[in-house]
Amino acid sequence: ETGVTQSPTHLIKTRGQQVTLRCSSQSGHNTVSWYQQALGQGPQFIFQYYREEENGRGNFPPRFSGLQFPNYSSELNVNALELDDSALYLCASSSEGQPYEQYFGPGTRLTVT
Amino acid sequence: GDSVTQMEGPVTLSEEAFLTINCTYTATGYPSLFWYVQYPGEGLQLLLKATKADDKGSNKGFEATYRKETTSFHLEKGSVQVSDSAVYFCALSVPRGDYKLSFGAGTTVTVRA
Repeated sequence: ETGVTQSPTHLIKTRGQQVTLRCSSQSGHNTVSWYQQALGQGPQFIFQYYREEENGRGNFPPRFSGLQFPNYSSELNVNALELDDSALYLCASSSEGQPYEQYFGPGTRLTVT
Repeated sequence: GDSVTQMEGPVTLSEEAFLTINCTYTATGYPSLFWYVQYPGEGLQLLLKATKADDKGSNKGFEATYRKETTSFHLEKGSVQVSDSAVYFCALSVPRGDYKLSFGAGTTVTVRA
């Protein structure tokens, strides 16, 4: 059974640029959630995708957007990057039978300079 | 809103010592409760969970009991090892459509040999 994978592992962007992060969900999982973890803090919920539709959103501006594909993989897009967007971005997947039990990928470390 | 408050760290222990990390929560409805662990440079791993009052979650020698009367979910381990050094996060999820996780700020635990 393949776990949740994310790419890239690290990247560095300049303020104002755009970035796309990718996530492949665990086998058998159809729901993907994205979280932002700033240094020294707990993860904050960005949004969730279920069957290719957004299924809930946290307190993040519209420049944070996402997609889910028919194979349940997902992308997180961030436009007009700001310095405060520097963080570890975590993807988590869950199954329809146990939606509250989320399994996390290793994360993408984004640095905005 | 839903929130989790957990004991501030860092916590430093000697090997074979007893570990307790306090966690209390505020939520409307009936949350499921979780402990996640994050090893250096890695994503989050689900350590244990409890879905209703008086449930005890356990895994790898760690235990936590869902106490509705005190709105608590304290993590305990009777004899820690150096390999238990990590950041521990308490989290909750309320079945409100998106099952998002709300995390505490995390507690850093260091175990010395």
